[in-house]
Amino acid sequence: KQEVTQIPAALSVPEGENLVLNCSFTDSAIYNLQWFRQDPGKGLTSLLLIQSSQREQTSGRLNASLDKSSGRSTLYIAASQPGDSATYLCAVRPTSGTYKYIFGTGTRLKVLA
Amino acid sequence: NAGVTQTPKFQVLKTGQSMTLQCAQDMNHNSMYWYRQDPGMGLRLIYYSASEGTTDKGEVPNGYNVSRLNKREFSLRLESAAPSQTSVYFCASSPADSVYGYTFGSGTRLTVV
Repeated sequence: KQEVTQIPAALSVPEGENLVLNCSFTDSAIYNLQWFRQDPGKGLTSLLLIQSSQREQTSGRLNASLDKSSGRSTLYIAASQPGDSATYLCAVRPTSGTYKYIFGTGTRLKVLA
Repeated sequence: NAGVTQTPKFQVLKTGQSMTLQCAQDMNHNSMYWYRQDPGMGLRLIYYSASEGTTDKGEVPNGYNVSRLNKREFSLRLESAAPSQTSVYFCASSPADSVYGYTFGSGTRLTVV
């Protein structure tokens, strides 16, 4: 059964730092991996979608990489800002079973001004 | 704004009461999903509809029913609410049930007392 793990569960960094959030998954048979942002009391906003054939995707200060064979993805945030404070979730879409996204429990990020 | 709309945003129910959570998308997506989010457990799939006219159980379907009313709307019904169903419920949609990412609604926070 596919499992998705995000470590650490929480992270505090000073403003301006570059940081990396980690996501690992147990089964490499996936269609894609998606990173989301969730603000307190809000829904999920899609940040980046990486297909299984891709190695990385970039959007502004965000860069997500995928190493399917090792079951890992990282979300790199450059020059962090207080507005980046949120919970970041990764989800993988398996190629077998119900084919639906399986989510990690997230990393709660706080960027200190 | 185009997207996924959920109603209501907040609801308090007494044990045994019933209610229906509504979800509508205006992106002409074929697939729709209901998840619940609980602290420390991430998002878990309740039911999904790969296309209009079809519905299937997800990971935690007990105590729930769904209706795919048309291509736009996918409702979730609690027939006899229990305190264990206190959660935040999210609806999501996707162009198709395969390699595409999800778009989420803003959620319904449900408390069962």
